[in-house]
Amino acid sequence: EAGVAQSPRYKIIEKRQSVAFWCNPISGHATLYWYQQILGQGPKLLIQFQNNGVVDDSQLPKDRFSAERLKGVDSTLKIQPAKLEDSAVYLCASSLGAGLTYEQYFGPGTRLTVT
Amino acid sequence: DQQVKQNSPSLSVQEGRISILNCDYTNSMFDYFLWYKKYPAEGPTFLISISSIKDKNEDGRFTVFLNKSAKHLSLHIVPSQPGDSAVYFCAAMDSNYQLIWGAGTKLIIKP
Repeated sequence: EAGVAQSPRYKIIEKRQSVAFWCNPISGHATLYWYQQILGQGPKLLIQFQNNGVVDDSQLPKDRFSAERLKGVDSTLKIQPAKLEDSAVYLCASSLGAGLTYEQYFGPGTRLTVT
Repeated sequence: DQQVKQNSPSLSVQEGRISILNCDYTNSMFDYFLWYKKYPAEGPTFLISISSIKDKNEDGRFTVFLNKSAKHLSLHIVPSQPGDSAVYFCAAMDSNYQLIWGAGTKLIIKP
């Protein structure tokens, strides 16, 4: 079974530029999560999708971050414009569905550096 | 307001000995807890979990203990092996099936 795929793996941009991350979840997984992990901290949930609908985006800074999951499969997370404090690893995870399983499967993450 | 705390940023253990990683939580409504393991440049991978109705769950060398009255759980690894060197995250699942994460403990197994 193929795991969660993410790209790019690394990205360096200047502040005020824009950036986009892509995630392909495990086939058949209905729930998709985007997390932000700052160095020395645990992952923080940014947004949760169930199929192509948003379940929770309460911690997504909507003035600069946006995310979509077209057709209930792949997802993109965008930051525009980026700030220095956005430097972090962005993790995508998927699961069969909330309530069906507790386990989330993670991709390798995208390390973003904003200079 | 950290709901899940891992107070030890790092832990060093001799190969073959027992590793004990600790985690405390504040919300008594959490009903499921998970431990994840993370190697550098990789995403976290699921290790072991425990329901709040249990006090122990064992899987091979890994055992998780839950003390609900103390709001404390621990992960025991016996015997510790070099490949166990990684960052270990404790996470609690809330009523929305979302994970609340601790900051992680870096485990170093010395040969």
